[in-house]
Amino acid sequence: EVQLVESGGGLVKPGGSLRLSCAASGFTFSRYSMNWVRQAPGKGLEWVSSISASSPFVYYADSVKGRFTISRDNAKNSLYLQMNSLRAEDTAMYYCARIGTTTLLTDYWGQGTLVTVSS
Amino acid sequence: QLVLTQSPSASASLGASVKLTCTLSSGHSSYAIAWHQQQPEKGPRYLMKLNSDGSHTKGDGIPDRFSGSSSGAERYLTISSLQSEDEADYYCQTWGTGSHVVFGGGTRLTVL
Repeated sequence: EVQLVESGGGLVKPGGSLRLSCAASGFTFSRYSMNWVRQAPGKGLEWVSSISASSPFVYYADSVKGRFTISRDNAKNSLYLQMNSLRAEDTAMYYCARIGTTTLLTDYWGQGTLVTVSS
Repeated sequence: QLVLTQSPSASASLGASVKLTCTLSSGHSSYAIAWHQQQPEKGPRYLMKLNSDGSHTKGDGIPDRFSGSSSGAERYLTISSLQSEDEADYYCQTWGTGSHVVFGGGTRLTVL
């Protein structure tokens, strides 16, 4: 069974940093590209960042470019999101999601970890 | 720029059928999309990939009540024999320029 379990969320002050983790199991993690997607309270889904299976390719939404860094450790079956210079508008539930190798679209989601940016 | 447009809300009666629409912006009518369901207070769940020819690949455990179809730039999700647990937000998703992921604004389905 595919499982994606996020952790690392919490309350942080504006300008602060946080590192999110996503532990993957139930599939060969190193073969799949991965996404981070967020959802602000009461709002829709917003793509944040993607990383290819073997890490050479990373992509970011304009809203986080230069502040967030996506990375992965295939030996640990883990995905990360380093978030710096956090703003109030980064407050959201952050989801880790797998990109299917045949669909090339998101095919599994985690349950999310909540990030709150507030003074 | 690729945009996915969804109606904000829809409603249908228990046991009936409903058809939700996701419209691709001009020039992108050949794109495949994914449909995702988000029940209240839960994470999203992948329902299916839907191609421009209407063929679709469903996710693990998705009931036969969920089906997809396409016409031009429109991508449809049809849910038949509506159940109370189908009350949820439904999002479409595709790839945009520079491998950026694009989501529609979502449709909130109310089961009456």
